Amino acid sequence: TQLLEQSPQFLSIQEGENLTVYCNSSSVFSSLQWYRQEPGEGPVLLVTVVTGGEVKKLKRLTFQFGDARKDSSLHITAAQPGDTGLYLCAGDGSSNTGKLIFGQGTTLQVKP
Amino acid sequence: SQTIHQWPATLVQPVGSPLSLECTVEGTSNPNLYWYRQAAGRGLQLLFYSVGIGQISSEVPQNLSASRPQDRQFILSSKKLLLSDSGFYLCAWTVLANYGYTFGSGTRLTVV
Repeated sequence: TQLLEQSPQFLSIQEGENLTVYCNSSSVFSSLQWYRQEPGEGPVLLVTVVTGGEVKKLKRLTFQFGDARKDSSLHITAAQPGDTGLYLCAGDGSSNTGKLIFGQGTTLQVKP
Repeated sequence: SQTIHQWPATLVQPVGSPLSLECTVEGTSNPNLYWYRQAAGRGLQLLFYSVGIGQISSEVPQNLSASRPQDRQFILSSKKLLLSDSGFYLCAWTVLANYGYTFGSGTRLTVV
């Protein structure tokens, strides 16, 4: 069974600080995605990484896919209160069903 | 453009009552469709997925069922709700897993 473990589960920081969220597995994924979810809403896709070692940047967010395609990280520079939310990583197990395996999420609170 | 509609947004149902949650997708054909359940502030548990009309796969044994009567319609049902069925239910679609999911806005179900 493929599993994705996210750490930390909870993170409370001050505005302007940097942070990194990790998503780890013992399994290889053909792609890995990051989503952000606000309370009472569905998750929204931030990025998809597909190549081992790939780095993508989205404004102050930097996403990296591990060389072996078993792990990923999300780094936020100079966090802002608007970054507050639940961050979810999800891996594509490469079946033709399109099923994604989700991590348990990281709840981020950025205090002004 | 593609959109996904999910309703109702909130639902309070007594134990033993039936359930029907509906999800429809617009602007695409033959999408893969998914029903997930989410515990508060946590990751997503895949309940059902469908790769075509009438094709339903169940991921976990439970008190729920799903149907896909039309290409872009996905329904989650129960004949008799249990307290443990309470949660946040999310519908999602994709054409390929590494394209990412588009989620509906979710249904908050409370069984009382």
